[in-house]
Amino acid sequence: DAGITQSPRHKVTETGTPVTLRCHQTENHRYMYWYRQDPGHGLRLIHYSYGVKDTDKGEVSDGYSVSRSKTEDFLLTLESATSSQTSVYFCAARPGTGVLGVTNEKLFFGSGTQLSVL
Amino acid sequence: SQKIEQNSEALNIQEGKTATLTCNYTNYSPAYLQWYRQDPGRGPVFLLLIRENEKEKRKERLKVTFDTTLKQSLFHITASQPADSATYLCARASGNTPLVFGKGTRLSVIA
Repeated sequence: DAGITQSPRHKVTETGTPVTLRCHQTENHRYMYWYRQDPGHGLRLIHYSYGVKDTDKGEVSDGYSVSRSKTEDFLLTLESATSSQTSVYFCAARPGTGVLGVTNEKLFFGSGTQLSVL
Repeated sequence: SQKIEQNSEALNIQEGKTATLTCNYTNYSPAYLQWYRQDPGRGPVFLLLIRENEKEKRKERLKVTFDTTLKQSLFHITASQPADSATYLCARASGNTPLVFGKGTRLSVIA
């Protein structure tokens, strides 16, 4: 997992409560991503960051917000969790040093967070 | 919309045979495709990258081909082993745009 740690690994919460998932990396990667993975849908991008305080929305960003105040940490927040947000969440990162971008840089993934919203 | 499709949700093969997984793309030229392996309860791990102008890429028992006419990439595992059982994901890569993943193919190699 190349120094990418997600916390917590498992979480059960109730509908309507706020939830924050944390991704921490030790490799000084510039780009960081949050994906969710659901049966039948595969990996879908929620938000990503291309630097400290620089973030952008992905395909399924509604109901989620992110923050990146330090290079090593990328936080995903569910402001008011819903049952449809029950999923496995993966954080990923890449160096961002290549001139061709992601075309010749691989992503390093964390081990995931299993979130259940009851 | 731009799509990456892995048509087979699951594939079962006998140990020792060659597994072939398919990744199709529509509506654009992906320029690059990446392949990842994912084991249960773990995050995906990068395997191979192939550029549009490369016909074939190899790494040990793995081989990836790219056919721009068919808009298809094939991922082969030769002399497959039970330890190769996993979900394999392909992803489109383009500049600094985030990777777009297919839904994955779950491979089971039966001893």
